[in-house]
Amino acid sequence: AQSVTQPDIHITVSEGASLELRCNYSYGATPYLFWYVQSPGQGLQLLLKYFSGDTLVQGIKGFEAEFKRSQSSFNLRKPSVHWSDAAEYFCAVGALFRQGGKLIFGQGTELSVKP
Amino acid sequence: NAGVTQTPKFRVLKTGQSMTLLCAQDMNHEYMYWYRQDPGMGLRLIHYSVGEGTTAKGEVPDGYNVSRLKKQNFLLGLESAAPSQTSVYFCASSPPSGRAGEGSTQYFGPGTRLTVL
Repeated sequence: AQSVTQPDIHITVSEGASLELRCNYSYGATPYLFWYVQSPGQGLQLLLKYFSGDTLVQGIKGFEAEFKRSQSSFNLRKPSVHWSDAAEYFCAVGALFRQGGKLIFGQGTELSVKP
Repeated sequence: NAGVTQTPKFRVLKTGQSMTLLCAQDMNHEYMYWYRQDPGMGLRLIHYSVGEGTTAKGEVPDGYNVSRLKKQNFLLGLESAAPSQTSVYFCASSPPSGRAGEGSTQYFGPGTRLTVL
């Protein structure tokens, strides 16, 4: 069965420091992978997605993610964190062309940013 | 474009009461979804629809019903609310799956916070 694990429930980084949020997935075929961000009291916004091709994917707000098939991982990175990046981040895996494009979400990682 | 909108934003119910949450999208998307979000559990799919007049069960469908009478609307119903249904409910929509998988990106509404006493 498909599953997504985000090992870190909560991470705190200093403003200006680099960031890496971990995501591991379990899926029997080539996965379609997503990172979403949720600011407090808001809905989810797509940061980036991987379908195929280049394994390093660029997204909005300076984020990038790297797909590593050998490690079943899709970690999210940002070289320099801004205070406005404080939010909850969700990794998701999707199945295309069947089941209506359903997504399976990880538990989420809450990011706090210290001044 | 308003995108995906949800009504109401907040609601408090007593155990046993019923209510309907409305989701509307103006992007002409084929697929629509209802999720619930609970602390530490991420988003879990309740029901989804791949087109007008069709619905299917997701991961946690018990206690909920849905209808998709119009393409732009997706209704989530609670017939007899229980405290375990206290949650934040999100609706999402996406275009149909197509070449290169572009269709799978989901667009989310702002959520409905429901409390069942």
